[in-house]
Amino acid sequence: EIMLTQSPGTLSLSPGERATLSCRASQSVSSSYFAWYQQKPGQAPSLLIYGASSRATGTPDRFSGSGSGTDFTLTISRLEPEDFAVYYCQQYGSSPITFGQGTRLEIK
Amino acid sequence: EVQLLESGGGLVQPGGSLRLSCAASAFTFSGYGMTWVRQAPGKGLEWVSSISGGGSSTYYADSVKGRFTISRDNSKNTLYLQMNSLSAEDTAVYYCAKLGDCSSTSCYSWQRPFDYWGQGTLVTVSS
Repeated sequence: EIMLTQSPGTLSLSPGERATLSCRASQSVSSSYFAWYQQKPGQAPSLLIYGASSRATGTPDRFSGSGSGTDFTLTISRLEPEDFAVYYCQQYGSSPITFGQGTRLEIK
Repeated sequence: EVQLLESGGGLVQPGGSLRLSCAASAFTFSGYGMTWVRQAPGKGLEWVSSISGGGSSTYYADSVKGRFTISRDNSKNTLYLQMNSLSAEDTAVYYCAKLGDCSSTSCYSWQRPFDYWGQGTLVTVSS
């Protein structure tokens, strides 16, 4: 099983700042099978990034994904108020499909 | 607009059974794999099970293998999750999600991102 470790656990930033979220895999993951999800309180998760760097339909271009192998990054270039949420990374290339434990992005 | 609506959650005693349903609309249901993901209260996301578009291939997390069964009725555009031998560890919000397109040159049916999610249904296992 591929374990995904996200850091930091909580990130405190202000609107307008740049956010960098990390996800490290316990073994190499094909970038074709790597995704990021956003979950707001009381809501279902929503797909942001797939294939490590492709934005899903409706994802604003301030969100970008990068990485390969065991290290992946989600960057939000300029935070908007609606971006404060929990973010999960996921690998769907090896069974079982696994998620990271989440990074909480909170308003400073 | 793609819509997924889960139902069937509720309170069940340990050792009991429950069947969840997920009604899908606004896409060609039989053309896409589907999946169940759960989230225990205050915790992260855990993949539970996936099924191919035609229903012939199914996949399970070890934590539910042998107790849960995923199925689908393409004539009714509905996904199911039969859950047996439930324990407190199964208490969670259960989400159904649609599998998206392959993001590589080739993919198995389960190697897809989860591109649309339902709002979830809460399953509580308690005496």
